[in-house]
Amino acid sequence: AQSVAQPEDQVNVAEGNPLTVKCTYSVSGNPYLFWYVQYPNRGLQFLLKYITGDNLVKGSYGFEAEFNKSQTSFHLKKPSALVSDSALYFCAVRPEGGSYIPTFGRGTSLIVHP
Amino acid sequence: DGGITQSPKYLFRKEGQNVTLSCEQNLNHDAMYWYRQDPGQGLRLIYYSQIVNDFQKGDIAEGYSVSREKKESFPLTVTSAQKNPTAFYLCASLGRTTYGYTFGSGTRLTVV
Repeated sequence: AQSVAQPEDQVNVAEGNPLTVKCTYSVSGNPYLFWYVQYPNRGLQFLLKYITGDNLVKGSYGFEAEFNKSQTSFHLKKPSALVSDSALYFCAVRPEGGSYIPTFGRGTSLIVHP
Repeated sequence: DGGITQSPKYLFRKEGQNVTLSCEQNLNHDAMYWYRQDPGQGLRLIYYSQIVNDFQKGDIAEGYSVSREKKESFPLTVTSAQKNPTAFYLCASLGRTTYGYTFGSGTRLTVV
């Protein structure tokens, strides 16, 4: 069975500082990994994905994520946080083959302080 | 623009009533999904459909029903058997050449 862990319910960071939102996963075979962002009372918006290739993936709004196979991690990062980045972030994983049903983490609330 | 439309945005239900949440997509995606979101619990899969006229139960299907008569539409009915229906409901779709979901903007259901 596949699973995703987002160990932090909340991450606090000052505007202008770098941010990291952590994600670890478990899946059989090669993983497809995703990050989504959710603003209050809205659906999830796709940020970035790792399918294959470079371990450092760049996505929307200046976000990037690093795939680390040995640590089974896919942490989301941004060099300089903005107050407008404050939102709920979800990591998701699904295997390369088989069902197309991803498993989502419980979400991490990112709060960027002015 | 292509996307997923969920309606209504807010829905109020009396005890014992069935209500239907609408989800329509114009992305030509084959697969569609319904998730329930509760605070601190992430997303839980209710039902999914990978082809017209076929659907499968997810992790929390009890008290819900769906239909998939058209590729574009995947309505969710919350029945009176669902004991705690107050939640935020999200519809998503997936195409054959895409890897990640496209989500609708959600419906917030409240029991009054």
